[in-house]
Amino acid sequence: TQLLEQSPQFLSIQEGENLTVYCNSSSVFSSLQWYRQEPGEGPVLLVTVVTGGEVKKLKRLTFQFGDARKDSSLHITAAQPGDTGLYLCAGAGIQGAQKLVFGQGTRLTINP
Amino acid sequence: KAGVTQTPRYLIKTRGQQVTLSCSPISGHRSVSWYQQTPGQGLQFLFEYFSETQRNKGNFPGRFSGRQFSNSRSEMNVSTLELGDSALYLCASSPAGTRDEQFFGPGTRLTVL
Repeated sequence: TQLLEQSPQFLSIQEGENLTVYCNSSSVFSSLQWYRQEPGEGPVLLVTVVTGGEVKKLKRLTFQFGDARKDSSLHITAAQPGDTGLYLCAGAGIQGAQKLVFGQGTRLTINP
Repeated sequence: KAGVTQTPRYLIKTRGQQVTLSCSPISGHRSVSWYQQTPGQGLQFLFEYFSETQRNKGNFPGRFSGRQFSNSRSEMNVSTLELGDSALYLCASSPAGTRDEQFFGPGTRLTVL
């Protein structure tokens, strides 16, 4: 059973389009992190959200933490081929659980 | 600062063998975690070491073990390899604490034949 469900699992869109990736759980997290992983490399941290309702922006990427701290979304505006990669969300702070719980990931392909 | 390094980057073994993977964390980071990444299961937590002590453990069989040295470098060992152990093994370090962001290495790609 996945504690964190990401959707969609695969997404292929044209350059310039907008997209949103979702990360959902029935559990409450103390914080949630988003990573991007490219082929042959380890995941790289993009952002950490801590407060319910928090919104963080990183250039064309907007991250939001749900009010109840159970879900998060990543929105990319005007996607570019360089945004291609595997996007992973990871939740921290579940009582008695391991350090970080990762979602299955969203494999994003931006076509030029 | 140098990033997290992992050796070797690629490894091919046969069933029944054992393997040791190595990880050098970012200088000053005392926590090292190991993850297994496969297409079917995604990223799964193996264990975390902090100051040479295992602090957290995931749901993997006892064939998977690890240790951390006084300089924070870590090794993980998998004994009696099975085909299903083929995966990318990722090491991540963080400064301290239980909820710090993870800084990942490039991983070791293990193939079991």
